Amino acid sequence: GAVVSQHPSRVICKSGTSVKIECRSLDFQATTMFWYRQFPKKSLMLMATSNEGSKATYEQGVEKDKFLINHASLTLSTLTVTSAHPEDSSFYICSANVPLFTDTQYFGPGTRLTVL
Amino acid sequence: TQLLEQSPQFLSIQEGENLTVYCNSSSVFSSLQWYRQEPGEGPVLLVTVVTGGEVKKLKRLTFQFGDARKDSSLHITAAQPGDTGLYLCAGGGGGFKTIFGAGTRLFVKA
Repeated sequence: GAVVSQHPSRVICKSGTSVKIECRSLDFQATTMFWYRQFPKKSLMLMATSNEGSKATYEQGVEKDKFLINHASLTLSTLTVTSAHPEDSSFYICSANVPLFTDTQYFGPGTRLTVL
Repeated sequence: TQLLEQSPQFLSIQEGENLTVYCNSSSVFSSLQWYRQEPGEGPVLLVTVVTGGEVKKLKRLTFQFGDARKDSSLHITAAQPGDTGLYLCAGGGGGFKTIFGAGTRLFVKA
């Protein structure tokens, strides 16, 4: 199956700093990637859809200035949490569609962000 | 608004028992996926079903897509502790965003 990687897997930062999370498709090109947030023991909450070469589409209630998304190439999307605060602590997961099988998403391993 | 209702939300069973997880909607999906997620990891794709009435088997797991493509079920035979995890159904296609069920947290006791 398609492989999606995420880096870092865990990050701890101080309140007020910015954190960048990378999502890469390793064996395929992904024109569309998705960013999710997951709270403990809950399902996935879609934050935004990342489109290669264009602006991301954010879900209602997600602050685009706080969660900056860049999809600069067909294999890389980044999520930057700006001026992070403790309430931003969460598990962030990215996913990507495989071309021609666009209904199925392949997920990265996730990034655990802890803001002190 | 499309919704996927997943049930049960939590299931704790003994090793060797059988179980079924349901995913229901009033909307038609062009395909439906089942994922399994372990703590601290991303969801892993188990199967995609696309044809109404389709049945797919993956070892002890049997997946079925409803005839009308509005619902799906996951049946696990003789559950093992290694089956423990969060099971998520997801529906998409036809121009709609992929939506996820709330998940079923399964715990299989040895």
